[in-house]
Amino acid sequence: KQEVTQIPAALSVPEGENLVLNCSFTDSAIYNLQWFRQDPGKGLTSLLLIQSSQREQTSGRLNASLDKSSGRSTLYIAASQPGDSATYLCAVKGTGANSKLTFGKGITLSVRP
Amino acid sequence: GAGVSQSPSNKVTEKGKDVELRCDPISGHTALYWYRQSLGQGLEFLIYFQGNSAPDKSGLPSDRFSAERTGGSVSTLTIQRTQQEDSAVYLCASSLVPLRDTQYFGPGTRLTVL
Repeated sequence: KQEVTQIPAALSVPEGENLVLNCSFTDSAIYNLQWFRQDPGKGLTSLLLIQSSQREQTSGRLNASLDKSSGRSTLYIAASQPGDSATYLCAVKGTGANSKLTFGKGITLSVRP
Repeated sequence: GAGVSQSPSNKVTEKGKDVELRCDPISGHTALYWYRQSLGQGLEFLIYFQGNSAPDKSGLPSDRFSAERTGGSVSTLTIQRTQQEDSAVYLCASSLVPLRDTQYFGPGTRLTVL
């Protein structure tokens, strides 16, 4: 059974800092990995999706990497801003016809002005 | 274009009552998913619909939970005889192509069972 872990559960940084959010998963047989953002009381917004054959994806100040063999992914946020404050969730999709996503519990990020 | 919508946004019910939660996916998306997000439990998969195929119900926690998708579009998640442990945010997502595509999430329905 796939398990996804995100540590720490919460993180507070000053504005402008570059930061890395970590995600680890136990079964390396994944189809893809996705990073989501969730604001309080809202649904999830997809940030980046990395296919199993890819090593990284970039969007603006965000860069996500994937090391499938070691079961790790990182989300790098450059020059953090208070508007980046949210919960960031990592999810992996298993192989095969089943499109089920397995989520981590998320990292709640607070960027202090 | 319009995103995934869910209704109601909040639902408060008494223990033992039945509830129905509705999801309108993005037009044209063939795959639809239901998830539950409980405090301290993270986000768990409930059920998945793909086109006219039989749904994957492997995540439903008990036989009190059921879901249907009519006409390949709107979906309804029904919880019968609600219990306090059913209190959670129920999220719906849809995707254009199930295997490789991004899932787009709705805002969720917050269910509180008193």
